[in-house]
Amino acid sequence: NAGVTQTPKFQVLKTGQSMTLQCAQDMNHNSMYWYRQDPGMGLRLIYYSASEGTTDKGEVPNGYNVSRLNKREFSLRLESAAPSQTSVYFCASTSMERTYEQYFGPGTRLTVT
Amino acid sequence: KQEVTQIPAALSVPEGENLVLNCSFTDSAIYNLQWFRQDPGKGLTSLLLIQSSQREQTSGRLNASLDKSSGRSTLYIAASQPGDSATYLCAVMDSSYKLIFGSGTRLLVRP
Repeated sequence: NAGVTQTPKFQVLKTGQSMTLQCAQDMNHNSMYWYRQDPGMGLRLIYYSASEGTTDKGEVPNGYNVSRLNKREFSLRLESAAPSQTSVYFCASTSMERTYEQYFGPGTRLTVT
Repeated sequence: KQEVTQIPAALSVPEGENLVLNCSFTDSAIYNLQWFRQDPGKGLTSLLLIQSSQREQTSGRLNASLDKSSGRSTLYIAASQPGDSATYLCAVMDSSYKLIFGSGTRLLVRP
């Protein structure tokens, strides 16, 4: 049981390049989330998926797109990276049963030059 | 719009001291409140989750309380140790099952 996994762990992009961050969970959770964390700040929600086949915008969605590929996988795409997107990105998942506790992946450190 | 505030932003204490971290939120319509620990350059580790119907949760030397009506939670750490040094994040789950985070408290426990 690996929990929530993210790839890659680190990435450096040039301005204008595109990339996709991958996230997978093996806990059979319905809901999945993408957050970004900037220095000295808490996490801010980018996009979330309440269930397979649905996605919704969070607090800071501009410049990002997401795909809920199946119940396990939720990817985040940067179509044209900008220096303002330099951040640490965390994926999370929640079961809609019992406690609604949210479980987090280890994060992806992205630098855009 | 739900806002979560954590005070203090940073705290330095000598080893062995008992300490309290504070978290406040503006909208009492929450499903739960979670406390996380984050070590430098690492991900989030869940410490305690308090359901909206609960008043407190305990795990070892940690005790978290929740007063939903006043929009406050505290994380109490007993007999602090250098290994407790980390950033502690508070987050509330809103009515749409989204977590809203505070900016965290950076804790340093000096040997």
